[in-house]
Amino acid sequence: EVQLVESGGGLVQPGGSLRLSCAASGFTFSSHWMHWVRQAPGTGLVWVSHINRDGSSTTYADSVQGRFTISRDNAKNTLYLQMDSLRAEDTAVYYCTRSFDSWGQGTLVTVSS
Amino acid sequence: DVVMTQSPLSLPVTLGQPASISCRSSQSLVHSDGNTYLYWFQQRPGQSPRRLIYKVSNRDSGVPDRFSGSGSGTDFTLKISRVEAEDVGIYYCMQGTHWPPWTFGQGTKVEIK
Repeated sequence: EVQLVESGGGLVQPGGSLRLSCAASGFTFSSHWMHWVRQAPGTGLVWVSHINRDGSSTTYADSVQGRFTISRDNAKNTLYLQMDSLRAEDTAVYYCTRSFDSWGQGTLVTVSS
Repeated sequence: DVVMTQSPLSLPVTLGQPASISCRSSQSLVHSDGNTYLYWFQQRPGQSPRRLIYKVSNRDSGVPDRFSGSGSGTDFTLKISRVEAEDVGIYYCMQGTHWPPWTFGQGTKVEIK
């Protein structure tokens, strides 16, 4: 069974940093592109970032370009999202997803002073 | 960026009756490889998104056959042949042809009358 378990969310002040993790199991992690998608409270889904199978290619939404960094450790079956210079508008539930066919339960990031 | 526009945004339906959601893209979603990367997702209250349909009309494993997807080019439709109580939630279309970014529609809230 495919499982994706996010962690690392929490409350952070504006300008601060957080690193999200997504532990994958039940499939060959290194064979799949991975994405982060976020959902601000009461709003819709917004794609954040993607990484290819070996981590050599990444893309970002304009809203996070230069502030967020996606990475992966295929030996640990784990996806990461390093979030720096956080803003109030980054407040959201962050989901990791395997090519959009499987999703984690999400982790809440709240940016507030 | 490709803009995805869903209608209606709210859809009250009677149990056992059909429901239909429209999704229009700002440009054709036909990829140079001949595929059309249009997806549909369901998000039940308090849950993570779940993919229902991939490449316009293919149902994911475990998705009831009362769900069907159709369309081409820029116009797509998700139909529920007979709405059940468990179908309550928000439905999103998403395009994966012209990336980055991958873009979602605003979401359509399906509720029981």
